[in-house]
Amino acid sequence: QIALKESGPTLVKPTQTLTLTCTFSGFSLSPSGVGVGWIRQPPGKALEWLALIFWNDDKRYSPSLKSRLTITKDTSKNQVVLTMTNMDPVDTATYYCAHRYDFDYYFDYWGQGTLVTVSS
Amino acid sequence: QSALTQPPSASGSPGQSVTISCTGTSSDVGGYNYVSWYQQHPGKAPKIMIYEVSKRPSGVPDRFSGSKSGNTASLTVSGLQAEDEADYYCSSYAGSNNLEVFGGGTKLTVL
Repeated sequence: QIALKESGPTLVKPTQTLTLTCTFSGFSLSPSGVGVGWIRQPPGKALEWLALIFWNDDKRYSPSLKSRLTITKDTSKNQVVLTMTNMDPVDTATYYCAHRYDFDYYFDYWGQGTLVTVSS
Repeated sequence: QSALTQPPSASGSPGQSVTISCTGTSSDVGGYNYVSWYQQHPGKAPKIMIYEVSKRPSGVPDRFSGSKSGNTASLTVSGLQAEDEADYYCSSYAGSNNLEVFGGGTKLTVL
């Protein structure tokens, strides 16, 4: 069965770079027609779509955050990594990774999420 | 400010029906039949309830249904049950550059 889990720091300082790792099982990002995305949710607020990487290394980013985001994959480790530069307190949120199929436009499996707090 | 507009709250009594709206533009909701709805209970990850406007994944009760008219999509929950109390988010494909956008979420209360 498909499962995903996010990992990374729980606390980062303003201006630092955040690196989050999504480790998954039950599917592969080698030629398979799937993608892994990142979505975040500030406390008490709405979901925000961040980035998505497909099996063929096609990458998509939120236009408003594109300059700060990088998404990569390590097929051998079944991992997807998201980096976000120049972190600010407004970036405090639960960060989720999620699975989708290539030609579907929804996420069918989600990780449990990881809360990242930005504070000095 | 979210790209898609949802009412902040909705409510209904057990057994009743409630409809939640999701308004976008011709560049997202109105332009594609790729509207999804997610349910999120407190402290939990979102769960897909509806995709491609009106399709239900396996395991989702048929009490949940979706529709779309113009730039507005809707989620209807019929025969409300206590376990339906949650936040609901719509999402839409928005083109190859923006890809996908979410709504601001609606808190559904079962009275």
